[in-house]
Amino acid sequence: QQQVKQSPQSLIVQKGGISIINCAYENTAFDYFPWYQQFPGKGPALLIAIRPDVSEKKEGRFTISFNKSAKQFSLHIMDSQPGDSATYFCAATSSGAGSYQLTFGKGTKLSVIP
Amino acid sequence: NAGVTQTPKFRVLKTGQSMTLLCAQDMNHEYMYWYRQDPGMGLRLIHYSVGEGTTAKGEVPDGYNVSRLKKQNFLLGLESAAPSQTSVYFCASSKTGDGYTFGSGTRLTVV
Repeated sequence: QQQVKQSPQSLIVQKGGISIINCAYENTAFDYFPWYQQFPGKGPALLIAIRPDVSEKKEGRFTISFNKSAKQFSLHIMDSQPGDSATYFCAATSSGAGSYQLTFGKGTKLSVIP
Repeated sequence: NAGVTQTPKFRVLKTGQSMTLLCAQDMNHEYMYWYRQDPGMGLRLIHYSVGEGTTAKGEVPDGYNVSRLKKQNFLLGLESAAPSQTSVYFCASSKTGDGYTFGSGTRLTVV
């Protein structure tokens, strides 16, 4: 049972465009939703995260939109740059579980073309 | 500040051989995790630890064992490697769950 579904699998965006990656979750106990960015040959790195008490969080060109009723959240990358080309993972966890184990989506490979 | 260090970075094993992957963190984090990453599968949790001396099974624990004898180290063992264990293994640590710090990974090939 896949608890976090991520789409699309791959995404090609022109430089300066908006990249949008979507995730949906099933477990209503999830209360922390981070996004990770991974470059080839590297480990994932935390990009931005949100909790359900807000509907949107913005950090620079990166924005998370969160829809609690639909159990969906998305990552928007504004003014996408070639340096943003990477694989992006959404994730979720329940702080009440005590172990903080993250459940990851399957990833989206983003390519930003000049 | 090294963060999370994984050794080795690459390894080729023959089927049936054993090995241990080492993860060390210098951030005094309580929580540590082992994930495997396979193409199209995302990151799947193998085992985790919520503190020194504790371990627990994740989503895909079969064929692996772990130990956390010291707070800073989390070891992942393969007793009898199988080709299905060919993967990239990532260790991560966390203080309270508000974001993991990942290591750079170990690329393991079992032939």
